[in-house]
Amino acid sequence: QVQLVQSGGEMKKPGASVKVSCKASGYTFSRYGISWVRQAPGQGLEWMGWISGYTGNTNYAQRFQVRVTMTRDRSTNTAYLELRGLRSDDTAVYYCGRDEEMAALDHWGQGTLVTVSS
Amino acid sequence: QSALTQPASVSGSPGQSITIPCTGTNSDVGGYNYVSWYQQHPGKVPKLMIYDVDKRPSGVSDRFSGAKSENTASLTISGLQADDEAYYYCASFTSSSTSVFGTGSRVTVL
Repeated sequence: QVQLVQSGGEMKKPGASVKVSCKASGYTFSRYGISWVRQAPGQGLEWMGWISGYTGNTNYAQRFQVRVTMTRDRSTNTAYLELRGLRSDDTAVYYCGRDEEMAALDHWGQGTLVTVSS
Repeated sequence: QSALTQPASVSGSPGQSITIPCTGTNSDVGGYNYVSWYQQHPGKVPKLMIYDVDKRPSGVSDRFSGAKSENTASLTISGLQADDEAYYYCASFTSSSTSVFGTGSRVTVL
């Protein structure tokens, strides 16, 4: 069965960077992309970007263009999200989801809580 | 890219039908048949309920249906049940080759 397992929660100081991993299993990793979505406490879902599992090509939401990098490692079927210049309003649960062509996230990781606080 | 617009809350009695609208623009909802809907119970991971405007993933009840007219997509839940009480989010592909979520709607079963 399809599974996406994310890395554990992180506590970071303002200005730091965080890297969240998303390990996929149960399907051919290169046939699908991975989208990253975040949810601040008590808020809605926010799409951050997408990476192709095959080519590694990326598409980022404009507001994250400067601060985000998404990568993937086909040898370990793992996708990564790196967010730099963390601010307190980056405190959120970060989700990865399998997403063939930015059309729909049909399987989701369990979420990773990133807390930014001095 | 602005979030798609959804009503903050929608409610209905058990057994009734409700419809949640999701309004965008020609650059997202109106321009592509890549609208999806997600259900999220509090503290839980979102779950895909509808994709490509009106398709249901395997295992999703046929009480959930999707449609689109011009720049507005909609999710209809028929035969409302207590477990349908949750937050619902729409999402759409956009002309910038990105995706955007809706503002989210809280569904209450009276």
